[in-house]
Amino acid sequence: DAGVIQSPRHEVTEMGQEVTLRCKPISGHDYLFWYRQTMMRGLELLIYFNNNVPIDDSGMPEDRFSAKMPNASFSTLKIQPSEPRDSAVYFCASSPQLGSPAKNIQYFGAGTRLSVL
Amino acid sequence: AQSVTQLGSHVSVSEGALVLLRCNYSSSVPPYLFWYVQYPNQGLQLLLKYTSAATLVKGINGFEAEFKKSETSFHLTKPSAHMSDAAEYFCAVSDPNTGFQKLVFGTGTRLLVSP
Repeated sequence: DAGVIQSPRHEVTEMGQEVTLRCKPISGHDYLFWYRQTMMRGLELLIYFNNNVPIDDSGMPEDRFSAKMPNASFSTLKIQPSEPRDSAVYFCASSPQLGSPAKNIQYFGAGTRLSVL
Repeated sequence: AQSVTQLGSHVSVSEGALVLLRCNYSSSVPPYLFWYVQYPNQGLQLLLKYTSAATLVKGINGFEAEFKKSETSFHLTKPSAHMSDAAEYFCAVSDPNTGFQKLVFGTGTRLLVSP
């Protein structure tokens, strides 16, 4: 398997613009997680899905952030409108079902580095 | 609520020296504990995990960690550091209320290895 695939790897945008980050989880994984990493706040869980259903979005900073998982192989994280304080590295991770020997292990993508000017 | 504390944001060692990265956890139930490593410009990858089996857990690249309930610790060690070990290391505890799927990460420790 190619692992978790995120796109784009780098995104530079201007304040007020809409930003969409994309993630393709590992095939067969039931869980998908979105994280944000900054120097100040470290690694924060934003939201996670189980079988395409959002389970916990308590980490989403505000209404400007939204995440969707329309099917088992694709998820998006959208920021509208973007602000300079959203600049960070955003990671997507996936994890297999509870019955798998690899349960509880999260497999991370390479991340999207977002810069909002 | 589950949490982990990593002591020392930076640890410096010489090549060939012992590596010790500290992690203490807080959990109301027997925890699942993890160490992840992040190389520059990459995502995190699992080094090892403890899920209530053997207390001494061996991982990849010669790393190991020992679960000590009496000390609420899960320190990461490697007998001899290699230059390629330079990276950031994260300790994490899983939340039993989510079926152990949701992880809470520590703030990370950056390991610097000098020749």
